Amino acid sequence: DTGVSQDPRHKITKRGQNVTFRCDPISEHNRLYWYRQTLGQGPEFLTYFQNEAQLEKSRLLSDRFSAERPKGSFSTLEIQRTEQGDSAMYLCASSPQGRNQPQHFGDGTRLSIL
Amino acid sequence: DQQVKQNSPSLSVQEGRISILNCDYTNSMFDYFLWYKKYPAEGPTFLISISSIKDKNEDGRFTVFLNKSAKHLSLHIVPSQPGDSAVYFCAVAYSGAGSYQLTFGKGTKLSVIP
Repeated sequence: DTGVSQDPRHKITKRGQNVTFRCDPISEHNRLYWYRQTLGQGPEFLTYFQNEAQLEKSRLLSDRFSAERPKGSFSTLEIQRTEQGDSAMYLCASSPQGRNQPQHFGDGTRLSIL
Repeated sequence: DQQVKQNSPSLSVQEGRISILNCDYTNSMFDYFLWYKKYPAEGPTFLISISSIKDKNEDGRFTVFLNKSAKHLSLHIVPSQPGDSAVYFCAVAYSGAGSYQLTFGKGTKLSVIP
């Protein structure tokens, strides 16, 4: 069990640029989640995949955000035309199928917008 | 409006004593409850969970108590160790609607003093 892996760990970019983050879940987990965490807050849910299907999206996920999980394994989260308010820690989690399964988190990608 | 509240931003406890972290939620539909621990620069680590059909769950030094009528859960750590110093988040879910998103509190920073 290698855990949830996220890449990059840190990303610094200028306002208006596009960024893409990658998440590799625990290999036997078919559920994958994205969260965002800002200073002093708990993680906030963004979106959820079961295999390759995106089944749930938060209203926090504006049209500048898009997430994919094309083969039901790794996932990418893209932010287009970044804004200052996008600065946050982006966390990925995964869990096995079944009711009441805990989600296991990666170490996140910290995004800083200049 | 916060659905999950951790009213103590911080807590200091002497090594060897009991640490009690509290969490309140507003929606009685929540049926799955979790505690996560987070060290700086790392993602949240799953500690322990409880479903709404139980009122207590133990795992080693960690015990979670659920009081559904009061919409309150607590995490007891006995005995507390310096390595337990971290930010603790409670999280809740309503799996009945087929949603698997977690809603987090803002966290409580625990400091265990040697």
